[in-house]
Formats: sequence, C-alpha cells, structure tokens
Amino acid sequence: DQQVKQNSPSLSVQEGRISILNCDYTNSMFDYFLWYKKYPAEGPTFLISISSIKDKNEDGRFTVFLNKSAKHLSLHIVPSQPGDSAVYFCAARKTGANNLFFGTGTRLTVIP
Amino acid sequence: DTAVSQTPKYLVTQMGNDKSIKCEQNLGHDTMYWYKQDSKKFLKIMFSYNNKELIINETVPNRFSPKSPDKAHLNLHINSLELGDSAVYFCASSHGPGQGVEKLFFGSGTQLSVL
Repeated sequence: DQQVKQNSPSLSVQEGRISILNCDYTNSMFDYFLWYKKYPAEGPTFLISISSIKDKNEDGRFTVFLNKSAKHLSLHIVPSQPGDSAVYFCAARKTGANNLFFGTGTRLTVIP
Repeated sequence: DTAVSQTPKYLVTQMGNDKSIKCEQNLGHDTMYWYKQDSKKFLKIMFSYNNKELIINETVPNRFSPKSPDKAHLNLHINSLELGDSAVYFCASSHGPGQGVEKLFFGSGTQLSVL
C-alpha cells in the first residue's frame, strides 16, 4: 500500500530551464512533507520541506508547492543545473508519527 | 566527519548465512532508524529506536533483529539470509519526537546481495 507516489521515474531537462517534480499522496493524516535528493552510492539528503498549513515554501532555487485538496505536491528547481542531476524522493509524515513514508523517486537529469 | 556512518558498504553472502550491519551517528540524535530500499526503489521503514527503546517495528520477518547498545548506535542482525533480503539498507537518525523528528539524516547505505 504505497501512500506516497511519484509516477514519473525519470525526467530530463536542459540546463537553465525549470525542473518540475511531482508527488501525490493518499493519506489525509500527513501533515509534513519533505523532498530528499540522492546521489549514487550515497544516502538521501534533506532538501526542502513544507508543513501542511502552508502552500508554498521557497529556498533559493528550490520551491515546494502543496495542494492539499488535490493531495499533490511539486518541487520546482529553477534554474536547473547539471549538479542537480540526482534521484529526488518525496516523503511525508503522519501527525504524531516518528517515521517518514517515501515515494519511489524520480531520476532528474539536467543536460548541459 | 561522517554524521551517520554504516558498515559495511557492500555485503555479498550465501543464502542461510547470518550477517550484521552496523550504524553509528555522531549528531547527538535521540532516534535512529533502519530503512530498506528494495528492487523497485521503494524506501520503507523497518525499525525505529528512540533512546535505545524500540518504537517502530514494521512487518518485518523476525530473522531481522535490531540492537541498540546506546543511542548513538543501531545495528541490524539478519539470520538465515534469503534471496529476497537482497536490497540496500539505510540507517538514519533524527531528533526525538517533537524536536524535528521529520528530518532524517541518512547513512550511505549497505548493498546486501544474497546469492
């Protein structure tokens, strides 16, 4: 039962353009959402997060948007850089829980 | 200084063997986790400890036994390894409940291959 879904396994974008990674969730008890970035042979690293009381959070080139009614969030990277090439995982936490539920990841390739 | 370190990075072994994966964090976190990433790239929690106490134990075969000698260490022991145990195992840590527990810090993973 996958409660966090990333339906696009891969995405290719030209350097300098916008990258948009999407994530859908099914559990309305999720109250906090995160994006993690993973390079090969490394563990995921935290990138940006958003609380369910907000609809947007921005950190430099990275912006996360949350649409609670649609149970959908997205990560925007602009401008995209070759160093952004990695696998991006969407994750969510239930209210009061200690663990995160992860999607299966989207592999982003930024083409120079 | 590696924040969350796990060893070994690669583990190749025969079916039926018993193996352990070690994890240590130097972040002063109260909570540690084991996650498993299977062949479909699905990253799923297995166990979580808070101050050496087991707080999450998902539906995992009892061949898997976590051990936390202190809050900086969480080891994973696997008995009677099976082919289906082949996966990447990630250790992670975070602050305790109510203190930013949602931000996990991960180790670099242990690629387990059971032949």
